[in-house]
Amino acid sequence: QSVLTQTPSVSGAPGQRVTISCTGSSSNIGAGYDVHWYQQLPGTAPKLLIYGNNNRPSGVPDRFSGSKSGTSASLAITGLQAEDEADYYCQSYDSSLNDSLFGGGTKLTVL
Amino acid sequence: EVQLVQSGAEVKKPGESLKISCKGSGYSFTTYWIGWVRQMPGKGLEWMGIIYPGDSSDTRYSPSFQGQVTMSADKSISTAYLQWSSLKASDTAMYYCARLSRAETGTPADNFDYWGQGTLVTVSS
Repeated sequence: QSVLTQTPSVSGAPGQRVTISCTGSSSNIGAGYDVHWYQQLPGTAPKLLIYGNNNRPSGVPDRFSGSKSGTSASLAITGLQAEDEADYYCQSYDSSLNDSLFGGGTKLTVL
Repeated sequence: EVQLVQSGAEVKKPGESLKISCKGSGYSFTTYWIGWVRQMPGKGLEWMGIIYPGDSSDTRYSPSFQGQVTMSADKSISTAYLQWSSLKASDTAMYYCARLSRAETGTPADNFDYWGQGTLVTVSS
């Protein structure tokens, strides 16, 4: 069981909007540590998608957005495309564990 | 262009030692922390630790990996390393190196912005 909890799977039809949640606690997300999001396409290395809760690196489409509130964070994807089918991971730091953590990952299926 | 190029796949027996590498290019290798991330077969990402190539004695290990692996770097050839002294079957995984986005003052709370292609390590008798 990951300290940062993600729903194992989500799905949506092309063009739809989906959200992926990352639930933590008062020692990580709730303590004010930033949340970062990565996309891992099948058989490839992870790629940075969102950093510092809601910032997109250059080249990442604005269909991807991040938010954070309390002890949780979310990744939203609008205008879903077939190429978005991938695993998505959140990352944050936990001060009690003195460790940087990834969530368990969410598999996005585009129907 | 920032690039991290990792060494090739390895097949080892339990008890053997191993050192895999990650060569950086396209940026100042000594001013950005390099991290390592494990992904066991069919599983998620695990943060292992980070090393500052500008001062290889500056390392931050995840408690889960402290004592299990050793990170090092050779700044003269812009290469970071991850090594095991005695492999176990449970070390079978894909290992990624990645660059911490914040130069010099980076911390384990920071994100990785560039990733290597991964090195598959298989440990089997």
